[in-house]
Amino acid sequence: EVQLVESGGGLIQPGGSLRLSCAASGFTFSSHIMNWVRQAPGKGLEWVSIIYSGGSTYYADSVKGRFTISRDNAKDSLYLQMNSLRDEDTAVYYCAREPSPYGPFDYWGQGTLVTVSS
Amino acid sequence: DIQMTQSPSTLSASVGDRVAITCRASQSISSWLAWYQQKPGKAPKLLIYEASSLQIGVPSRFSGSGSGTEFILSISSLQPDDFATYYCQQYKNYRTFGQGTKVEIK
Repeated sequence: EVQLVESGGGLIQPGGSLRLSCAASGFTFSSHIMNWVRQAPGKGLEWVSIIYSGGSTYYADSVKGRFTISRDNAKDSLYLQMNSLRDEDTAVYYCAREPSPYGPFDYWGQGTLVTVSS
Repeated sequence: DIQMTQSPSTLSASVGDRVAITCRASQSISSWLAWYQQKPGKAPKLLIYEASSLQIGVPSRFSGSGSGTEFILSISSLQPDDFATYYCQQYKNYRTFGQGTKVEIK
């Protein structure tokens, strides 16, 4: 059974840093493109970042230069390093898998809440 | 960047109604479009991929159509479980979501 479990969320002050993790199981993690998606309270879905099997990465303009996506295929894990956090980064952060070779998001984690506030 | 625009933002309907949600892309995305359903406090669920292909396990009352820049998600006979928010997403170039359409009880 495919499972994605996020962790690492919490309350952080503006300007601070946080690292989110997503533990994957039930599939060959290294073969799949992975994404981070966020949802601010009461708002819609916003795509944040993507990492390809080969390691290429891309970001939404709203987080470019502040967030870094990475993966450890040996640990079946996805990460999101978030620096210089702002109030507007407050959201539930989901990791999401694409089917091989690529496609829509067929599996999602349960999400982890990041609250940026002083 | 490709922008996705959904309409309407809110749709009021009754059980048994046929409903349609439109999604427009700012440039052609061929058929690289998906539809998701999201309920409060839950992760989104994939309904449709490649514009018109039904994800395994999704009821056949859901259907998708379109290509290029205009797409439609249809629900043939709205059921109580279908009251939720629906999002389109392009996956031709990076990834982008529409702003969502909330289907509420009339």
